[in-house]
Amino acid sequence: DIQMTQSPSSLSASVGDRVTITCRASQGIRNDLGWYQQKPGKAPERLIYAASTLESGVPSRFSGSGSGTEFTLTISSLQPGDFATYYCLQYNTYPFTFGQGTKLEIK
Amino acid sequence: EVQVVESGGGLVQPGGSLRLSCAASGFTFSDHFMDWVRQAPGRGLEWVGRITNKPYSYTTSYATSVKGRFTISRDDSRSSLYLQMNSLKTEDTAVYYCADVGTKGTSWGQGTLVTVSS
Repeated sequence: DIQMTQSPSSLSASVGDRVTITCRASQGIRNDLGWYQQKPGKAPERLIYAASTLESGVPSRFSGSGSGTEFTLTISSLQPGDFATYYCLQYNTYPFTFGQGTKLEIK
Repeated sequence: EVQVVESGGGLVQPGGSLRLSCAASGFTFSDHFMDWVRQAPGRGLEWVGRITNKPYSYTTSYATSVKGRFTISRDDSRSSLYLQMNSLKTEDTAVYYCADVGTKGTSWGQGTLVTVSS
């Protein structure tokens, strides 16, 4: 199975900060990667697919980059509603695998 | 509006069976591959399995943890996805979601809770 190593596992930041979350794949997955945001008690919502394509309606402060084995999700200026848990998902090779999640908390 | 609604969850004893359903609307269901994803209480997300669509022969793939116990099927005439779960274990306790998690993508429903306990 492809292992998705997501870091950091938790992150404390302030409104207005720029934050970056990283996912590393144990083998190449081209750009078959999505980023999800999940708030407590809610279903995950996809922010980005194909590593860097923003879903419709997602604010432009979110961006994704990478290809192959290393990927990043960047939030350029944190807003109060961005404090949540973020997951990456590789959908290149079965079984698909998620990163373990990054909990973004208010400092 | 794209919508998926999962149903069929509940309390089941270890070794028992349960069938989950997912009703889709607002998009051409038959064009999409569809996935099941689960989340155990307080844990991360785990992909359960996928079914392709008719042009790809309705091929299924599963996570190692459920292979041989779970079966995914679909009824394109009803825009519905199913998950038949047999030989359930306590570690299958989770909220189960359906969605297309590939490039095309769909939104996710609110999920249905499956509790495996005696």
